[in-house]
Amino acid sequence: QKEVEQNSGPLSVPEGAIASLNCTYSDRVSQSFFWYRQYSGKSPELIMSIYSNGDKEDGRFTAQLNKASQYVSLLIRDSQPSDSATYLCAVARGSNYKLTFGKGTLLTVNP
Amino acid sequence: DTGVSQDPRHKITKRGQNVTFRCDPISEHNRLYWYRQTLGQGPEFLTYFQNEAQLEKSRLLSDRFSAERPKGSFSTLEIQRTEQGDSAMYLCASSLREGQGTNIQYFGAGTRLSVL
Repeated sequence: QKEVEQNSGPLSVPEGAIASLNCTYSDRVSQSFFWYRQYSGKSPELIMSIYSNGDKEDGRFTAQLNKASQYVSLLIRDSQPSDSATYLCAVARGSNYKLTFGKGTLLTVNP
Repeated sequence: DTGVSQDPRHKITKRGQNVTFRCDPISEHNRLYWYRQTLGQGPEFLTYFQNEAQLEKSRLLSDRFSAERPKGSFSTLEIQRTEQGDSAMYLCASSLREGQGTNIQYFGAGTRLSVL
């Protein structure tokens, strides 16, 4: 079992729709959870961080965490073509804080 | 520039040559990380430093790889006797150790290595 798993994608949504990205992780002691956006050929850019169960909203983005189910999600409301990118879920545990990434989900927002 | 800086951005080398990459973290960030990313995969952890101390190395980091962070500022990653399988994007990230659960890593633009 991979440590961090994401929807295989690609995920295609029309402009203005809600995009839903999912991630599961295997390490139960994980404490920190992140969503990064990565445009083709570019480096990862932090979108959201979440540490406690529940929802965290930032503009059009909402991260959801359920530690009991070992599940993290990212909702993007009012999706824009500029949101088209690969979204990486990353998890960290313990005091060393190294990130373990999923393979990423490619999101395409169609005008 | 207050971001993480990596140099060079691109490196093309022949198999068997040695290469060295440099990373300058965000000022005052005491943690520095190296990751490697291949096409279609997420970044994979290689090693990290807190100040000048290298605290963890991945099993991915074979004996051909060495990383340093003298004086706890910039870091270098050297690959000796490069192999075609070393072709990847090498990413550097830095963070400021804060309270538990607040580690945020900021990535540099990466160095893309092509081994011919």
